[in-house]
Parts: sequence; C-alpha cells; structure tokens
Amino acid sequence: KNEVEQSPQNLTAQEGEFITINCSYSVGISALHWLQQHPGGGIVSLFMLSSGKKKHGRLIATINIQEKHSSLHITASHPRDSAVYICAVGKTSGSRLTFGEGTQLTVNP
Amino acid sequence: DTAVSQTPKYLVTQMGNDKSIKCEQNLGHDTMYWYKQDSKKFLKIMFSYNNKELIINETVPNRFSPKSPDKAHLNLHINSLELGDSAVYFCASSLGGLRAGELFFGEGSRLTVL
Repeated sequence: KNEVEQSPQNLTAQEGEFITINCSYSVGISALHWLQQHPGGGIVSLFMLSSGKKKHGRLIATINIQEKHSSLHITASHPRDSAVYICAVGKTSGSRLTFGEGTQLTVNP
Repeated sequence: DTAVSQTPKYLVTQMGNDKSIKCEQNLGHDTMYWYKQDSKKFLKIMFSYNNKELIINETVPNRFSPKSPDKAHLNLHINSLELGDSAVYFCASSLGGLRAGELFFGEGSRLTVL
C-alpha cells in the first residue's frame, strides 16, 4: 500500500462543475504539496500547505492533519484545467517527497 | 526567463551509450533535485543537493552520477544506458529544502533508450 493514496484515479467532468480530488497519507508530514502536470508534460506547483486552507483563483486546497487527508477543489471547472493532479508529502522524518499516483482530470466543454 | 531549465528536452540514444542532462535554475534556490517519472507517470526522487552537497541519494544504480558545480546547476550523467532508463527526468529546485519552500520544476527531459 502506498503511503500516499489519491482518489479518484480518473475524473471526467463537464465545464462549470465543482471538482474535488482527495489525498490520504499514512505518515507524519511536515508539508503537503499539490502539483499539476499538463498534457505537454510540465509540472507546476499549485500549493504547499501544512495546515488549514489555501486559495488561489478557482483552486482551493485544504488539509486535515488529524485525519491525514487533503482535498483539492476546483470551482467553475474549465477544459484548460484538464491535467494530472499529483499529491506529494514531505515526511517529518526525512527530506524527500513521497508522491501519489496522480489523478487524471478531463473537463469537457 | 525560464526559472528552471533543462537540456536537452528530448534525447534518443542507443543502449550502452553515456549521456548527460543539464539543469540550471535562476531563482536563487539552494536545493535542487532530480526526479524520474516512469511510464505510469509515477514520480520518484533520485537525488537532492543542498548548496552543492548531496543530501538525498535514493537507491539508484551507480551508472547515474549527479554533479553540482554550483548551487544553480545540477547535472545528471548516465553511463552505459539501459532500456529501463527510458523515462522523463525532471529537475526541480526549492528554497530552504522541502520543509521550507515549494518546488519549481523544469520542463522535463524525455530519454528514450533503443
């Protein structure tokens, strides 16, 4: 079992829908990262958080340290949001990231 | 200006050859990383350098050797390439290590070994 589990693995939505991607982890962490990988391959960091909630435009990331769970929400989704979203955690016991397997999001017009 | 730049973006080579991928960041970060992304899109850390010092060295074959001439550069040299080395290799950097700052990634270098 991976230390970082994402769900769903694949998600198809219609433009305008509210989207939630979940990340659960089983280790103590110092921070959790949400990354976005577009079809062209480039990876962009969306959020780094260790508590509470962060918002950037239509994207919202939350984390519950007690439940070891984080969610990434996209409001008013758009086809350009189509990408792979990757959750990664930095463990408290080390200095490396452990990655989830990613969630492939497709937003149809 | 590109923050983290890698070259080459594509590399096709024969088994047994030696190749290098270069990475440079102009963000003033002190920590740089090499990640490997396999065909299943799973990212895995290979190496990390902080101020030119190696701080992470995962279970990677000795054929892979990172070199950091200064804190803005982290190059990856691969000897005796094998079919299983085919992957996309991402360079990244952060300020103050993973506990302090977010990651900035290069565009990736797709290596194909024939």
